[in-house]
Amino acid sequence: EDQVTQSPEALRLQEGESSSLNCSYTVSGLRGLFWYRQDPGKGPEFLFTLYSAGEEKEKERLKATLTKKESFLHITAPKPEDSATYLCAAPGATGYALNFGKGTSLLVTP
Amino acid sequence: GAVVSQHPSWVICKSGTSVKIECRSLDFQATTMFWYRQFPKQSLMLMATSNEGSKATYEQGVEKDKFLINHASLTLSTLTVTSAHPEDSSFYICSARVGTTDTQYFGPGTRLTVL
Repeated sequence: EDQVTQSPEALRLQEGESSSLNCSYTVSGLRGLFWYRQDPGKGPEFLFTLYSAGEEKEKERLKATLTKKESFLHITAPKPEDSATYLCAAPGATGYALNFGKGTSLLVTP
Repeated sequence: GAVVSQHPSWVICKSGTSVKIECRSLDFQATTMFWYRQFPKQSLMLMATSNEGSKATYEQGVEKDKFLINHASLTLSTLTVTSAHPEDSSFYICSARVGTTDTQYFGPGTRLTVL
């Protein structure tokens, strides 16, 4: 069964304290691993797509990496405005619908 | 990046009435759109996949007669919640698939409250 699991559920960091969020997946024939950011009361905002093991993508303080079994979202020197829920998703073996993890709620305090 | 809009952003209605939510891809054509609902502090739950010019595919447990989906053009999909009840109150979010890729862009969501 296709599954996407994120950890931790919640993470509290002090401003400037770097950390990583984890997304493990069991999807046969991975066609992409997606990261989104969601602010309260808003739709998810697209961040990255990773397609193959070893691939890395960066955007400002965020860097996403992919292995054969998991993906990491590294946050370097986070700021309070990085506080949000980060969602990881992958399409199933058939179709285009995304299977979402439950998300990691990140809080960055000044 | 690709932009997806939703209208309305919020709606309050009486129990028993129907509500229509529009989802538009503003700067690209979307052959496939998706409808999700999200309860507080939970992740997105896929309701249905909407393909332009054909019937929507509903996920198990989603009543197709209650949640009517129409995808009449490459830039517009609509979700109609028929005979809404308080338990239908939720945050409804649409997404649109870009071209032949698997990347989906999401709308800002619609908060539905049924009194």
